[in-house]
Amino acid sequence: EAQVTQNPRYLITVTGKKLTVTCSQNMNHEYMSWYRQDPGLGLRQIYYSMNVEVTDKGDVPEGYKVSRKEKRNFPLILESPSPNQTSLYFCATFVRRGSAGELFFGEGSRLTVL
Amino acid sequence: KDQVFQPSTVASSEGAVVEIFCNHSVSNAYNFFWYLHFPGCAPRLLVKGSKPSQQGRYNMTYERFSSSLLILQVREADAAVYYCAVECQRGSARQLTFGSGTQLTVLP
Repeated sequence: EAQVTQNPRYLITVTGKKLTVTCSQNMNHEYMSWYRQDPGLGLRQIYYSMNVEVTDKGDVPEGYKVSRKEKRNFPLILESPSPNQTSLYFCATFVRRGSAGELFFGEGSRLTVL
Repeated sequence: KDQVFQPSTVASSEGAVVEIFCNHSVSNAYNFFWYLHFPGCAPRLLVKGSKPSQQGRYNMTYERFSSSLLILQVREADAAVYYCAVECQRGSARQLTFGSGTQLTVLP
């Protein structure tokens, strides 16, 4: 079954304590990205990766890091989390199908930073 | 700035046809996408394209700068957040820019 898997699904942490949200996909897609979802703001892209070792900033990259050492994994790193990073995070892969692409999302990771 | 606009809430009665409107200011736009999101689940693609499309009970209209999602015979179980997104070129990559989401409420 085609899947994008995120872990953890829920996390409560404290300001400044480094954390990593993992994302793994089994569809062999080259493009992966991270979004955060906040009330009234919809889905905003944090970082994306077009292929292994190729990453780039999205619309809201401040306070986040990513790495893409292998095709299937795209972890999101918060080196020093702050309360304004409390949000629902989605990992997604993107593939072109005909004239339009398609995003496949994970189920989300709800992060609370106290 | 590239932006996608959609209403924050829409309410409808069960059995009706619901329309959720979306427009954008995105340059180099190619396709519209409509996603459905239930809490705790992954957002799911309903319909996409650069022309009017239909997938089951979901119809998508298309104009260059706007699209509507029409849900036929809406049910209480359709209550969820619906996202409109526009695909555009950013540098060497095609990207999706999302609207803020529309919460659909269905009244019995």
